[in-house]
Amino acid sequence: AQTVTQSQPEMSVQEAETVTLSCTYDTSESDYYLFWYKQPPSRQMILVIRQEAYKQQNATENRFSVNFQKAAKSFSLKISDSQLGDAAMYFCAYREEYGNKLVFGAGTILRVKS
Amino acid sequence: EPEVTQTPSHQVTQMGQEVILRCVPISNHLYFYWYRQILGQKVEFLVSFYNNEISEKSEIFDDQFSVERPDGSNFTLKIRSTKLEDSAMYFCASSEIQNLNYGYTFGSGTRLTVV
Repeated sequence: AQTVTQSQPEMSVQEAETVTLSCTYDTSESDYYLFWYKQPPSRQMILVIRQEAYKQQNATENRFSVNFQKAAKSFSLKISDSQLGDAAMYFCAYREEYGNKLVFGAGTILRVKS
Repeated sequence: EPEVTQTPSHQVTQMGQEVILRCVPISNHLYFYWYRQILGQKVEFLVSFYNNEISEKSEIFDDQFSVERPDGSNFTLKIRSTKLEDSAMYFCASSEIQNLNYGYTFGSGTRLTVV
């Protein structure tokens, strides 16, 4: 079974600085999808960014970018110019290419200091 | 932007009672899901639903749970006889085309408290 590991239970970053959240996963599949979801205190799950495993180019969405290392099975999220509104729980998630379900990591709490 | 709507936002129920959690997926989405998040823990898959039937379910989704799409818009999760350990945040999600994988859209969740 696929597993997703987020080794950082909690991270802090100064406003306007850059922070990287780590995620590793285990799979025997060659094609799959990876996601980062943000969960603010409201508890809603918000898609931040996604990456298709067959694409070598790292996905970017404004201040959010990923470092996808397929061979290492690593999928880190970089947040540039951190803002107070970025404070949330961040979940890394995996999905098989033809799968039904997302497999989530345990999450990383991001605190942003002003 | 289209949203997945869940009601109620918070439900308190007595142990042993039946509870129905409701979701209105995005109108042109074809795949529907329920996930659960026990407080402080990871988000866990419960069930996926397509073409009016369950396409996959987890070991959590036992006989106490059922899902239904009673009309063209609602998607419900029923827990027949709630237990204390069913207390969690329940998220509904929907997606448009599974294999193109634009990602799910999640609802805001229903916080279920079993007392």
